[in-house]
Amino acid sequence: QKEVEQNSGPLSVPEGAIASLNCTYSDRGSQSFFWYRQYSGKSPELIMSIYSNGDKEDGRFTAQLNKASQYVSLLIRDSQPSDSATYLCAVNSGSARQLTFGSGTQLTVLP
Amino acid sequence: EAGVAQSPRYKIIEKRQSVAFWCNPISGHATLYWYQQILGQGPKLLIQFQNNGVVDDSQLPKDRFSAERLKGVDSTLKIQPAKLEDSAVYLCASTVSGTGNYNEQFFGPGTRLTVL
Repeated sequence: QKEVEQNSGPLSVPEGAIASLNCTYSDRGSQSFFWYRQYSGKSPELIMSIYSNGDKEDGRFTAQLNKASQYVSLLIRDSQPSDSATYLCAVNSGSARQLTFGSGTQLTVLP
Repeated sequence: EAGVAQSPRYKIIEKRQSVAFWCNPISGHATLYWYQQILGQGPKLLIQFQNNGVVDDSQLPKDRFSAERLKGVDSTLKIQPAKLEDSAVYLCASTVSGTGNYNEQFFGPGTRLTVL
């Protein structure tokens, strides 16, 4: 059973701070990794994808991947109240290249 | 570019009734997925289509759930008969091709099903 584990949260940070979200996965054959943001009552929205070890930056978001440690993280710099949402880590693995999702980390950015 | 379309957005039914959900993927996307998301959990894959063929339906409760994608575009997911535990959001997602390593999936708005 391929598993994806995330900090259950909830996580609260003050506005302007860095929010750090973590994810570990069990399948060493996993090739691609995604972060989705899900606002309450809405569907998941893709915000970051990462395929190689190291960091990938996009605006205020940085995804970090360490395949040896089977660990992927998402940093949100200068956090805004509008970043308050549940963040889902998803890992693409298996012969059919399907996504396995973690249960999500709920982030609240306090004004 | 239009996103993934789903309907209805909300559905309330009694247990043992039947219900159907419809999905139209992003134009040109060969792979279509149906997920079930229970409150507080991540989406769980029910079935994956590549064009009009089933790639994986191992987690689809086949005694009550069925899905089809007859012409390789639109898809329908049906539940018959529904149980209380089927209350969830049913999400449809699509990607250009599900066979590569880098298939970014895009989700529709979902259908929120309540079974009473």
